[in-house]
Amino acid sequence: DAKTTQPNSMESNEEEPVHLPCNHSTISGTDYIHWYRQLPSQGPEYVIHGLTSNVNNRMASLAIAEDRKSSTLILHRATLRDAAVYYCILRDFMKTSYDKVIFGPGTSLSVIP
Amino acid sequence: DSGVTQTPKHLITATGQRVTLRCSPRSGDLSVYWYQQSLDQGLQFLIQYYNGEERAKGNILERFSAQQFPDLHSELNLSSLELGDSALYFCASSEQGARDEEAFFGQGTRLTVV
Repeated sequence: DAKTTQPNSMESNEEEPVHLPCNHSTISGTDYIHWYRQLPSQGPEYVIHGLTSNVNNRMASLAIAEDRKSSTLILHRATLRDAAVYYCILRDFMKTSYDKVIFGPGTSLSVIP
Repeated sequence: DSGVTQTPKHLITATGQRVTLRCSPRSGDLSVYWYQQSLDQGLQFLIQYYNGEERAKGNILERFSAQQFPDLHSELNLSSLELGDSALYFCASSEQGARDEEAFFGQGTRLTVV
């Protein structure tokens, strides 16, 4: 399975942009890059996903390197509510055409008021 | 609110016992996933069902089993419980279980084995 590598933790000041990196050097051509986050005492929630092109939605932006071996989740203005564990995951398309969502340790983001 | 409902929210039971956790997916979602989250292991994928059939299996113990019913709700059965089974158990659902879909997670069931 293709794996991802993220920093264990990051800090950001409130109302400043945050860039959360993810390395996935063994990504395959059909792997989608997904980001989820988990707020304290809650279940994970979807943030954004992409394949090759950069993506934007109301929550964040996803910048994908040209060789797809890394990506960056961008929160444009961090708020206290963005303090969470952020997971970068690859959707693995198995030989049997089945699918599952595998989470790594993630990055714990702290937002400083 | 993700639309995924898990019951019960909290469960305390003794070692050796058996419990059943229930998950109702979002309306229209055919695929259900179960995850275990403990302090030292992070989020571990257990099993996935699609329209009543098992689709993928992760690190699920033999003491654990799951199924998805015709109405698409799913149950995770945990038996011969051990202290180490204490964890948060999350259920997630998605439309087809495809790799470009987002998964919606419930709020989890916190299981404490004493």
